[in-house]
Amino acid sequence: GQQLNQSPQSMFIQEGEDVSMNCTSSSIFNTWLWYKQDPGEGPVLLIALYKAGELTSNGRLTAQFGITRKDSFLNISASIPSDVGIYFCAGRPSQGGSEKLVFGKGTKLTVNP
Amino acid sequence: DGGITQSPKYLFRKEGQNVTLSCEQNLNHDAMYWYRQDPGQGLRLIYYSQIVNDFQKGDIAEGYSVSREKKESFPLTVTSAQKNPTAFYLCASSIGGGAEAFFGQGTRLTVV
Repeated sequence: GQQLNQSPQSMFIQEGEDVSMNCTSSSIFNTWLWYKQDPGEGPVLLIALYKAGELTSNGRLTAQFGITRKDSFLNISASIPSDVGIYFCAGRPSQGGSEKLVFGKGTKLTVNP
Repeated sequence: DGGITQSPKYLFRKEGQNVTLSCEQNLNHDAMYWYRQDPGQGLRLIYYSQIVNDFQKGDIAEGYSVSREKKESFPLTVTSAQKNPTAFYLCASSIGGGAEAFFGQGTRLTVV
């Protein structure tokens, strides 16, 4: 089936640093979503993107829907300890299986105070 | 409050027993999903349903069964045929297939 390549797999940063992670696909997507999962909990939706080129912010988080519709990135500015968790990208393919989301494997973020 | 509820949070079963995980939503969503998550892994789709009385297999349906008799409910049964059932199970719902999904808090199943 469809696959999303999410990178990096893990990041270790100092509090206050900015973070960037991205997701790429070999096919076109018409929706990109970013989730955060805390340990032992379900993922929580952070940002939803619906149009190519769209740039959306949610507090210190900013995400963009790539112009080619095959990628998306998430930036976190001025990281704090509570940013720790696993961040997942997800997308809705424009063709073939558009009735369900495809998920990346996640980026595990560790923030050192 | 509107949301999606999974119960129980933790579940222990003996090997060879079937076990049913509950998932209820009051968001009036048509689509519901079950995912499996293993340590350090992403989300793998087990089953999904876009409408009442209809469901489709996901990527890892073997050893699992579901039903969708009511819009609000999508229970997952882990059968004895599932070779490695110990995992974290997540239920999600969305307004329609492929739309933004909202997740429950998960059920951690341990089979001993």
